[in-house]
Amino acid sequence: QVQLQESGPGLVKPSETLSLTCNVSGGSITSFYWSWIRQPPGKRLEWIGYIYYTGSTKYNPSLKSRVTISVDTSKNQFSLTLTSVTTADTAVYYCARGGAAGDHWGQGTLVTVSS
Amino acid sequence: DFVMTQSPDSLPVSLGERATITCKSSQSVLYSSHNKNYLAWYQQKPGQPPKLLIYWASTRESGVPDRFSGSGSGTDFTLTISSLQAEDVAIYYCQQYYSNPYTFGQGTKLEIK
Repeated sequence: QVQLQESGPGLVKPSETLSLTCNVSGGSITSFYWSWIRQPPGKRLEWIGYIYYTGSTKYNPSLKSRVTISVDTSKNQFSLTLTSVTTADTAVYYCARGGAAGDHWGQGTLVTVSS
Repeated sequence: DFVMTQSPDSLPVSLGERATITCKSSQSVLYSSHNKNYLAWYQQKPGQPPKLLIYWASTRESGVPDRFSGSGSGTDFTLTISSLQAEDVAIYYCQQYYSNPYTFGQGTKLEIK
C-alpha cells in the first residue's frame, strides 16, 4: 500500500521560501504523476501542480511564477518550493499520487506564514 | 478558470436514506474524442485528507462501497449515496481535471438528520 508523508517547516516568514518534501513509501515513485494540493483555512482545495517521475511538470498559472516541483527518484520523494510567500499561502499542504485525480494522499501538513 | 459549484452547501439526511449532491461546472469537462468526463468526487472526514471516490464522473475507485455512485456529463454531475451510513458523514468535493488549473467545488457537508 502506497503511503505519502509530507515534511517541512510549519512556520514560514512573509517574503521567504516555503519548502516541503513528500516521501513515498510502499511503492516506486516511477511511472506515476505526483501532485501538490493545498487547502487554506475555511476555503476550498487548490491544486498547485504536478510532476511526472521523468521531471516534466505542470503548474497552476496563478502560482506558476513562484512554484517549483522537483523529484528525486533515488530517494523516492518529490518536493515543493514556493517563493515570496504571504499570509495568503497559509494552508494545509497535501501531496498526492496522480496528476489529475489523486488516488493516494498524504495526511497533510499545516504551513503558517507569519512574522 | 473552470468554476465548480456544488449544491447544497449542507445536506442533512436520515440514516438509510438517499443523499444526492450536485456539481455544476462553468464549462464542459467532457472530452468528446475520448467520451470521458474529466470529473472526480472526493470524501473528506475531519482531520483526514480527501479520499478519492469516483473518477471519470462515474467510475468507482477500488474499495469504495457500491452505495456511492456518480453520474452526469458535460457540465452537470451528481454524487449519490443510495443508503446513508453513519460513517458517510463528511465533506464531499467535486474536482474537474479537464483544464489547468484543476479546480474543486466549495464542498458539501453531509450530516445525519
